[in-house]
Amino acid sequence: GAVVSQHPSRVICKSGTSVKIECRSLDFQATTMFWYRQFPKQSLMLMATSNEGSKATYEQGVEKDKFLINHASLTLSTLTVTSAHPEDSSFYICSAAGLQDEQYFGPGTRLTVT
Amino acid sequence: AQSVTQPDIHITVSEGASLELRCNYSYGATPYLFWYVQSPGQGLQLLLKYFSGDTLVQGIKGFEAEFKRSQSSFNLRKPSVHWSDAAEYFCAVGGRGADGLTFGKGTHLIIQP
Repeated sequence: GAVVSQHPSRVICKSGTSVKIECRSLDFQATTMFWYRQFPKQSLMLMATSNEGSKATYEQGVEKDKFLINHASLTLSTLTVTSAHPEDSSFYICSAAGLQDEQYFGPGTRLTVT
Repeated sequence: AQSVTQPDIHITVSEGASLELRCNYSYGATPYLFWYVQSPGQGLQLLLKYFSGDTLVQGIKGFEAEFKRSQSSFNLRKPSVHWSDAAEYFCAVGGRGADGLTFGKGTHLIIQP
């Protein structure tokens, strides 16, 4: 149990376009989901906390207009990178909070902006 | 502000030898502590967690960790490493489930034959 999926696993887009990444909890409901970003060979940095039915809470330094988060249901959160630029290329990982105060991580999405 | 320090960026261990990865944390309340492992290009797999109770926690793949409040540490150990343990290891701290986690910079584990 407690499986989190992400789609797509890899995406390449052109500079200036927008990309949507989906995060789904497959076998449990997650009121809270999180989005992290990981640069090559670096640690994960929390970008935002997503709560079902309300606005996401962004960490300091994360542009909320650039990284749009929607948590429309208890099993789905989406991250849209708007007007992507090469510096947005990164590994984006989501997690979902389960019942036992544990986060379950998705496999990640590799975004490359050309 | 909360933080996690993993002082060793790289560690090289011979196969079959014991392993200890260090983790120190700073957190204003009772911490929830985690160790995750990440293989190249992959997501995170939870090795073990500490919420409360017994300060020595057992995890998957033969790993264990000990919470020492006086030292603000949560070191990961394994008595005998296998070549398949080569990966990146992250220590993380957080509050209850509704809080995002703060990760350390990770320790890259290399296994020598």
